[in-house]
Amino acid sequence: DTGVSQDPRHKITKRGQNVTFRCDPISEHNRLYWYRQTLGQGPEFLTYFQNEAQLEKSRLLSDRFSAERPKGSFSTLEIQRTEQGDSAMYLCASSLIWDSRETQYFGPGTRLLVL
Amino acid sequence: AQKVTQAQTEISVVEKEDVTLDCVYETRDTTYYLFWYKQPPSGELVFLIRRNSFDEQNEISGRYSWNFQKSTSSFNFTITASQVVDSAVYFCALSGGTYKYIFGTGTRLKVLA
Repeated sequence: DTGVSQDPRHKITKRGQNVTFRCDPISEHNRLYWYRQTLGQGPEFLTYFQNEAQLEKSRLLSDRFSAERPKGSFSTLEIQRTEQGDSAMYLCASSLIWDSRETQYFGPGTRLLVL
Repeated sequence: AQKVTQAQTEISVVEKEDVTLDCVYETRDTTYYLFWYKQPPSGELVFLIRRNSFDEQNEISGRYSWNFQKSTSSFNFTITASQVVDSAVYFCALSGGTYKYIFGTGTRLKVLA
Protein backbone atom coordinates (compact mmCIF):
# COMPACT_ATOMS: atom_id res chain seq x y z
CA ASP A 1 0.00 0.00 0.00
CA THR A 2 1.77 3.13 -1.21
CA GLY A 3 1.44 6.32 0.74
CA VAL A 4 0.68 9.85 -0.36
CA SER A 5 3.16 11.12 -2.92
CA GLN A 6 3.93 14.69 -3.95
CA ASP A 7 5.83 16.12 -6.85
CA PRO A 8 8.14 17.96 -7.02
CA ARG A 9 9.78 17.66 -3.63
CA HIS A 10 11.55 20.98 -4.04
CA LYS A 11 10.87 24.00 -6.22
CA ILE A 12 12.83 27.21 -6.56
CA THR A 13 11.22 29.95 -8.60
CA LYS A 14 11.51 33.65 -9.20
CA ARG A 15 8.93 36.09 -7.96
CA GLY A 16 6.11 36.50 -10.43
CA GLN A 17 6.36 33.01 -11.93
CA ASN A 18 3.60 30.41 -11.77
CA VAL A 19 4.15 27.04 -10.11
CA THR A 20 2.10 23.85 -9.96
CA PHE A 21 2.35 21.03 -7.47
CA ARG A 22 0.88 17.57 -7.73
CA CYS A 23 -0.43 15.24 -5.05
CA ASP A 24 -1.33 11.57 -5.47
CA PRO A 25 -3.35 10.32 -2.50
CA ILE A 26 -3.58 6.84 -1.12
CA SER A 27 -5.76 4.88 -3.51
CA GLU A 28 -9.42 4.61 -2.48
CA HIS A 29 -9.09 7.63 -0.17
CA ASN A 30 -11.96 9.96 -0.97
CA ARG A 31 -10.73 13.07 0.82
CA LEU A 32 -7.69 15.12 -0.09
CA TYR A 33 -6.32 18.11 1.81
CA TRP A 34 -3.75 20.81 1.21
CA TYR A 35 -1.87 22.46 4.06
CA ARG A 36 0.89 25.04 4.18
CA GLN A 37 3.67 24.99 6.74
CA THR A 38 6.09 27.82 7.35
CA LEU A 39 9.28 27.60 9.36
CA GLY A 40 8.69 26.96 13.03
CA GLN A 41 4.95 26.59 12.64
CA GLY A 42 2.49 23.77 12.40
CA PRO A 43 0.65 23.02 9.15
CA GLU A 44 -2.23 25.34 8.32
CA PHE A 45 -5.29 24.19 6.41
CA LEU A 46 -5.71 25.56 2.89
CA THR A 47 -8.44 23.55 1.19
CA TYR A 48 -9.93 20.11 0.87
CA PHE A 49 -11.78 17.90 -1.61
CA GLN A 50 -14.22 15.11 -1.20
CA ASN A 51 -13.92 13.11 -4.38
CA GLU A 52 -13.74 15.81 -7.09
CA ALA A 53 -15.67 18.49 -5.20
CA GLN A 54 -13.75 21.27 -3.47
CA LEU A 55 -15.71 21.77 -0.27
CA GLU A 56 -13.85 24.51 1.54
CA LYS A 57 -11.11 27.04 1.03
CA SER A 58 -9.30 28.81 3.83
CA ARG A 59 -8.90 32.58 3.98
CA LEU A 60 -5.20 31.82 3.53
CA LEU A 61 -5.94 30.77 -0.03
CA SER A 62 -5.77 34.01 -1.98
CA ASP A 63 -7.07 34.44 -5.52
CA ARG A 64 -3.62 33.54 -6.81
CA PHE A 65 -4.06 30.00 -5.53
CA SER A 66 -6.19 27.39 -7.25
CA ALA A 67 -6.60 23.71 -6.56
CA GLU A 68 -8.21 20.98 -8.60
CA ARG A 69 -8.98 17.32 -8.30
CA PRO A 70 -10.43 16.59 -11.71
CA LYS A 71 -11.33 12.92 -11.46
CA GLY A 72 -11.35 12.48 -7.74
CA SER A 73 -7.87 11.00 -7.78
CA PHE A 74 -4.75 13.19 -7.92
CA SER A 75 -4.85 16.89 -7.16
CA THR A 76 -2.91 19.94 -8.31
CA LEU A 77 -2.23 23.16 -6.48
CA GLU A 78 -1.25 26.13 -8.63
CA ILE A 79 0.14 29.42 -7.42
CA GLN A 80 0.11 32.26 -9.90
CA ARG A 81 2.41 35.28 -9.76
CA THR A 82 4.35 33.89 -6.83
CA GLU A 83 5.47 36.19 -4.03
CA GLN A 84 8.27 35.73 -1.52
CA GLY A 85 5.66 35.22 1.17
CA ASP A 86 4.56 32.06 -0.63
CA SER A 87 7.80 30.36 0.36
CA ALA A 88 6.76 27.42 2.53
CA MET A 89 6.28 23.67 2.64
CA TYR A 90 3.06 22.59 0.92
CA LEU A 91 1.70 19.40 2.38
CA CYS A 92 -0.94 17.12 0.94
CA ALA A 93 -2.91 14.63 3.00
CA SER A 94 -5.58 12.08 2.20
CA SER A 95 -8.14 10.19 4.22
CA LEU A 96 -11.01 7.77 3.94
CA ILE A 97 -14.09 9.21 5.56
CA TRP A 98 -16.42 6.69 7.09
CA ASP A 99 -18.70 6.76 10.07
CA SER A 100 -17.51 10.35 10.80
CA ARG A 101 -14.09 9.05 11.76
CA GLU A 102 -10.97 9.65 9.73
CA THR A 103 -7.23 9.95 9.99
CA GLN A 104 -5.28 12.09 7.56
CA TYR A 105 -2.09 10.64 6.13
CA PHE A 106 0.45 13.11 4.86
CA GLY A 107 2.81 13.15 1.94
CA PRO A 108 6.46 14.28 2.06
CA GLY A 109 5.57 17.81 1.02
CA THR A 110 6.80 20.22 -1.66
CA ARG A 111 9.21 22.82 -0.39
CA LEU A 112 8.83 26.08 -2.32
CA LEU A 113 11.36 28.88 -2.31
CA VAL A 114 10.47 32.10 -4.09
CA LEU A 115 13.44 34.33 -4.83
CA ALA B 1 -12.60 28.73 18.21
CA GLN B 2 -10.31 25.76 18.30
CA LYS B 3 -6.74 26.04 19.45
CA VAL B 4 -3.81 23.76 20.25
CA THR B 5 -0.96 24.91 22.44
CA GLN B 6 2.41 23.20 22.65
CA ALA B 7 4.27 25.38 25.10
CA GLN B 8 7.55 23.49 24.84
CA THR B 9 9.40 24.81 21.81
CA GLU B 10 12.42 22.55 22.16
CA ILE B 11 13.46 19.78 24.53
CA SER B 12 16.86 18.13 24.77
CA VAL B 13 17.38 14.84 26.59
CA VAL B 14 20.11 12.28 26.84
CA GLU B 15 19.45 8.90 25.29
CA LYS B 16 17.48 6.49 27.52
CA GLU B 17 15.84 9.31 29.45
CA ASP B 18 12.04 9.53 29.53
CA VAL B 19 10.49 12.66 28.05
CA THR B 20 6.96 14.07 28.06
CA LEU B 21 5.63 16.41 25.40
CA ASP B 22 2.73 18.58 26.49
CA CYS B 23 -0.38 19.44 24.50
CA VAL B 24 -3.26 21.62 25.67
CA TYR B 25 -6.30 22.18 23.50
CA GLU B 26 -9.39 24.37 23.35
CA THR B 27 -12.64 23.48 21.67
CA ARG B 28 -16.36 23.93 22.16
CA ASP B 29 -17.21 20.76 20.29
CA THR B 30 -18.51 17.91 22.41
CA THR B 31 -17.13 15.37 19.98
CA TYR B 32 -13.60 15.90 18.80
CA TYR B 33 -10.43 14.02 17.93
CA LEU B 34 -6.84 14.51 19.01
CA PHE B 35 -3.74 13.43 17.14
CA TRP B 36 0.00 13.27 17.45
CA TYR B 37 2.28 13.37 14.42
CA LYS B 38 6.05 13.08 14.13
CA GLN B 39 7.97 15.17 11.58
CA PRO B 40 11.54 13.98 11.05
CA PRO B 41 14.04 16.13 9.14
CA SER B 42 12.80 14.66 5.85
CA GLY B 43 9.62 16.67 6.35
CA GLU B 44 6.92 14.01 6.11
CA LEU B 45 4.34 14.03 8.89
CA VAL B 46 4.06 10.54 10.34
CA PHE B 47 0.82 9.63 12.09
CA LEU B 48 1.29 8.29 15.62
CA ILE B 49 -2.10 8.19 17.33
CA ARG B 50 -5.73 9.32 17.21
CA ARG B 51 -7.84 9.69 20.33
CA ASN B 52 -11.61 10.28 20.43
CA SER B 53 -13.03 12.71 22.98
CA PHE B 54 -15.35 10.09 24.44
CA ASP B 55 -12.53 7.66 25.14
CA GLU B 56 -10.27 8.79 27.96
CA GLN B 57 -8.46 5.53 28.28
CA ASN B 58 -4.72 6.03 28.13
CA GLU B 59 -2.79 4.15 25.51
CA ILE B 60 0.62 2.55 25.34
CA SER B 61 2.38 1.47 22.19
CA GLY B 62 5.89 0.17 22.77
CA ARG B 63 7.95 3.04 24.18
CA TYR B 64 5.16 5.54 23.45
CA SER B 65 2.30 6.36 25.78
CA TRP B 66 -0.42 8.98 25.75
CA ASN B 67 -2.28 10.56 28.67
CA PHE B 68 -5.64 12.12 27.73
CA GLN B 69 -7.35 14.20 30.43
CA LYS B 70 -10.54 16.04 29.47
CA SER B 71 -10.67 17.78 32.86
CA THR B 72 -7.49 19.69 32.01
CA SER B 73 -7.92 19.63 28.20
CA SER B 74 -4.58 17.94 27.81
CA PHE B 75 -3.25 15.16 25.65
CA ASN B 76 0.35 14.55 26.63
CA PHE B 77 2.80 12.22 24.94
CA THR B 78 5.56 10.34 26.76
CA ILE B 79 8.51 8.57 25.19
CA THR B 80 10.15 6.07 27.51
CA ALA B 81 13.85 5.28 27.16
CA SER B 82 14.33 7.79 24.36
CA GLN B 83 16.54 6.97 21.40
CA VAL B 84 18.42 9.16 18.93
CA VAL B 85 15.94 8.12 16.23
CA ASP B 86 13.19 9.82 18.23
CA SER B 87 14.73 13.19 17.38
CA ALA B 88 12.11 15.08 15.39
CA VAL B 89 9.45 17.75 15.66
CA TYR B 90 6.25 16.44 17.23
CA PHE B 91 2.88 18.02 16.50
CA CYS B 92 -0.36 17.73 18.40
CA ALA B 93 -3.52 18.34 16.36
CA LEU B 94 -7.24 18.75 16.99
CA SER B 95 -10.21 18.02 14.75
CA GLY B 96 -13.80 18.90 15.54
CA GLY B 97 -14.98 15.77 13.84
CA THR B 98 -15.46 17.50 10.50
CA TYR B 99 -12.38 17.80 8.38
CA LYS B 100 -9.52 20.22 8.89
CA TYR B 101 -6.95 19.66 11.57
CA ILE B 102 -5.74 22.45 13.83
CA PHE B 103 -2.08 21.95 14.64
CA GLY B 104 0.04 23.25 17.46
CA THR B 105 3.36 24.91 16.76
CA GLY B 106 5.26 21.72 17.49
CA THR B 107 7.92 20.63 19.96
CA ARG B 108 11.41 19.91 18.66
CA LEU B 109 12.88 16.93 20.51
CA LYS B 110 16.62 16.38 20.45
CA VAL B 111 17.89 13.11 21.85
CA LEU B 112 21.61 13.19 22.46
CA ALA B 113 23.74 10.06 22.34
